[in-house]
Amino acid sequence: DTEVTQTPKHLVMGMTNKKSLKCEQHMGHRAMYWYKQKAKKPPELMFVYSYEKLSINESVPSRFSPECPNSSLLNLHLHALQPEDSALYLCASSQGWGQTGELFFGEGSRLTVL
Amino acid sequence: LAKTTQPISMDSYEGQEVNITCSHNNIATNDYITWYQQFPSQGPRFIIQGYKTKVTNEVASLFIPADRKSSTLSLPRVSLSDTAVYYCLVGPQGAAGNKLTFGGGTRVLVKP
Repeated sequence: DTEVTQTPKHLVMGMTNKKSLKCEQHMGHRAMYWYKQKAKKPPELMFVYSYEKLSINESVPSRFSPECPNSSLLNLHLHALQPEDSALYLCASSQGWGQTGELFFGEGSRLTVL
Repeated sequence: LAKTTQPISMDSYEGQEVNITCSHNNIATNDYITWYQQFPSQGPRFIIQGYKTKVTNEVASLFIPADRKSSTLSLPRVSLSDTAVYYCLVGPQGAAGNKLTFGGGTRVLVKP
């Protein structure tokens, strides 16, 4: 299984809602990532988890809250978002220490904030 | 972190070879160069990775000069389905959770 699965594929939410994006991989990868991508822009790194611990937070607003319940799962909890947060949210994973560092991406979750 | 610079866009025709050059003047000794391909509304997909000289796989070649300050992705005999955005990333290999940051990318349009 060489897939990273993201759910939901599409999400529409109001600014007062609380929702979550989910990501799952069964490749035994020990690093997982959240990226945000706006139209016609490159993916922007948000968070990195390494061995289930948050290792990098790229100064992301607290209305985005990541969670890594176990080595296969990564969540992104969303609360009180703004319309400018509408974007494609990409999850990725990579192998651990001593490996190639290749990123495996999911198809993304398209988020629209009304 | 090494910053990368790529052309914004390139046009080509089916059957031609496409070469995309990425500049990374402040690449570190332990940095590798990785290229990704992204189609609209999909996640990026790994194409090739290298450290120096030349690397070739079934879809592309990567040329890296001795000073490693640039690299060139070569796509042989492109087809319409190669129309995509291509990203060059530079970062250390072998550590989990690297700060892998995408540059601007090159939008390649393959015409019939």
